[in-house]
Amino acid sequence: LAKTTQPISMDSYEGQEVNITCSHNNIATNDYITWYQQFPSQGPRFIIQGYKTKVTNEVASLFIPADRKSSTLSLPRVSLSDTAVYYCLVGVRKTGANNLFFGTGTRLTVIP
Amino acid sequence: GAVVSQHPSWVICKSGTSVKIECRSLDFQATTMFWYRQFPKQSLMLMATSNEGSKATYEQGVEKDKFLINHASLTLSTLTVTSAHPEDSSFYICSASPSETQYFGPGTRLLVL
Repeated sequence: LAKTTQPISMDSYEGQEVNITCSHNNIATNDYITWYQQFPSQGPRFIIQGYKTKVTNEVASLFIPADRKSSTLSLPRVSLSDTAVYYCLVGVRKTGANNLFFGTGTRLTVIP
Repeated sequence: GAVVSQHPSWVICKSGTSVKIECRSLDFQATTMFWYRQFPKQSLMLMATSNEGSKATYEQGVEKDKFLINHASLTLSTLTVTSAHPEDSSFYICSASPSETQYFGPGTRLLVL
């Protein structure tokens, strides 16, 4: 299984850019990297997914180096409402296993 | 993105009773759905994989006779917690995937008294 490692927690001031890095040293060739956001008492919400290089959408960017052994979720100009737990998952749905196991996640606290 | 719903959103029951939780994919079909459990301040733990038309696959340590899963159609999976006890109190979340991305339901909070 492609285990992921993230920092347990991070603090940031409002308006700053936040970068959360995830390590996945044994990522497989067919694995995608997916990031989720979870608020208390809610299901995880999909943020972004990528395979290599850089992916950007309306809420975040995902940077993946050439060796794909890590990835960085970038949240531009965070606000208080971005306080949540962020999880990175690695895997492919069809093969099942890797994409289903959550690590500890990173608890982001945005400070006014 | 794809939408997954759960019902009920919360339930309180007496110890010894059974509780059924529904998970529906609203705008796509899902031959496979997944059930997770999350205790306070902890990460999500995969309980089982629900397969349409066949038996569910349970993760190690999860009692299949206690957590009954039925996936009767391509849009509905149910999780029944049988003879619930206070230690079963938790946040239960399902997910389904129309592609490489999993989409999660809003979760069901179960409190067993």
